[in-house]
Amino acid sequence: EAQVTQNPRYLITVTGKKLTVTCSQNMNHEYMSWYRQDPGLGLRQIYYSMNVEVTDKGDVPEGYKVSRKEKRNFPLILESPSPNQTSLYFCASSLYSMNTEAFFGQGTRLTVV
Amino acid sequence: KQEVTQIPAALSVPEGENLVLNCSFTDSAIYNLQWFRQDPGKGLTSLLLIQSSQREQTSGRLNASLDKSSGRSTLYIAASQPGDSATYLCAVLNQAGTALIFGKGTTLSVSS
Repeated sequence: EAQVTQNPRYLITVTGKKLTVTCSQNMNHEYMSWYRQDPGLGLRQIYYSMNVEVTDKGDVPEGYKVSRKEKRNFPLILESPSPNQTSLYFCASSLYSMNTEAFFGQGTRLTVV
Repeated sequence: KQEVTQIPAALSVPEGENLVLNCSFTDSAIYNLQWFRQDPGKGLTSLLLIQSSQREQTSGRLNASLDKSSGRSTLYIAASQPGDSATYLCAVLNQAGTALIFGKGTTLSVSS
C-alpha cells in the first residue's frame, strides 16, 4: 500500500530534550516536506526537500532541522524543543514537486512541557 | 503573498443534501489547486487535484471547479452522507512551486 508513515504518532516531552520525528514513504517520491498545523493558523511549511541531499527552509523553519540522506526518509529534528513547538506535525511527499498529487502522513501530535 | 480563504468555516446539513464549499485565493498565478479531507486523528487525504490549465475535476460524488481569473474554486458534494463529515481543506501551490498554501478549512457535519 502506498503510504507516508510517521513515528511516533503522539509524543509528550520536556523543554530542551532533543527529539526526532521520523517520516518514510514507499512511493519512490523525490519531493518531501514537513508542515505544522496550529489552531487559527492552519498548515504551514517547515522544511522541504526536492531530492536526496537537497533541503530548504519553508515558512517556519526556526527551531527545526531536517536531513535527506535517502530518498524514502525525511526526519524532522528538534534539537532543543520549546513549548511553542507544541503542534500537530505532518509529513508529505509527492512524485516530483508539489505540482503533483501530495500524500500526507497521519500526523504526529507533539506536546512540549 | 498568496492567501487562501475558505467559506464557510463550518457547515451542518442533513443527509442527502447537495452542498458547495468555497475557496478563494489572492494570486491567480497558480500551478494547481488541491482539495483535501482531514478526519480527526488522521492525516490529510487528497480528494482532487486541478492543474491550472483545467477547469474542473470529478471523482465519484465530488466535483471541483477552478476559475483562475476570479481566484475561486468550489467543491461540490452530491447527495451528502454522514461519512462525509470531516474538515475539507483547499490548497494552492506557491509561486516557487515548493509549498502548498492552505486555507483554514471548512468543517462539515452531515446528520442522519
